[in-house]
Amino acid sequence: DTVLTQSPALAVSPGERVTISCRASESVSTLMHWYQQKPGQQPTLLIYLASNLESGVPARFSGSGSGTDFTLTIDPVEADDTATYYCQQSWNDPLTFGSGTKLEIK
Amino acid sequence: EVQLQESGPGLVKPSQSLSLTCSVTGYSITSNYWGWIRKFPGNKMEWMGYISYSGSTSYNPSLKSRISITRDTSKNQFFLQLNSVTTEDTATYYCARSNWELDWFAYWGQGTLVTVSS
Repeated sequence: DTVLTQSPALAVSPGERVTISCRASESVSTLMHWYQQKPGQQPTLLIYLASNLESGVPARFSGSGSGTDFTLTIDPVEADDTATYYCQQSWNDPLTFGSGTKLEIK
Repeated sequence: EVQLQESGPGLVKPSQSLSLTCSVTGYSITSNYWGWIRKFPGNKMEWMGYISYSGSTSYNPSLKSRISITRDTSKNQFFLQLNSVTTEDTATYYCARSNWELDWFAYWGQGTLVTVSS
């Protein structure tokens, strides 16, 4: 299975720029997607195919990368962005998710 | 707007079967792909499998001997059955829709917590 590695946690102040990384154990081309999950809620899609912003998602969110290294950027961060962020690949079967990065807003 | 809602028992005994229903409104399950994903305590997420618009299925090999996904198109529902559960199957279970068999998930249910305990 393709393993996706994310850093466990980040803490930033409102107004700052934050980058959340996801590294794949093998190439996934650009078939990487990002989700936001707040406590008690379902995941919501932010970015699909590495860099495409899902409809309705604020332009503060952006994604980049290809192959094995991917980044989700939030600029500027707002207090409401407190959540866990997951990457997910769809290049290889089975689909796999990263372990999540918990973002704390100071 | 497409909406998904999971339902089923919140408590299952070890060695028994876990059965969940995903009820879909606003979209027909005879289109697209309909999957199950679970999130374990501690945040690990696992894709379990899907049923397609035609009724074909695909499962995560880690579950292949224990899982079955079926559907009732007349009720616009699809179902998850996981056999021989252990405490390791305690998780929040989500149903979700994707456009293709290997794809991202734009629509999710709210999730239902299933605890496996005697």
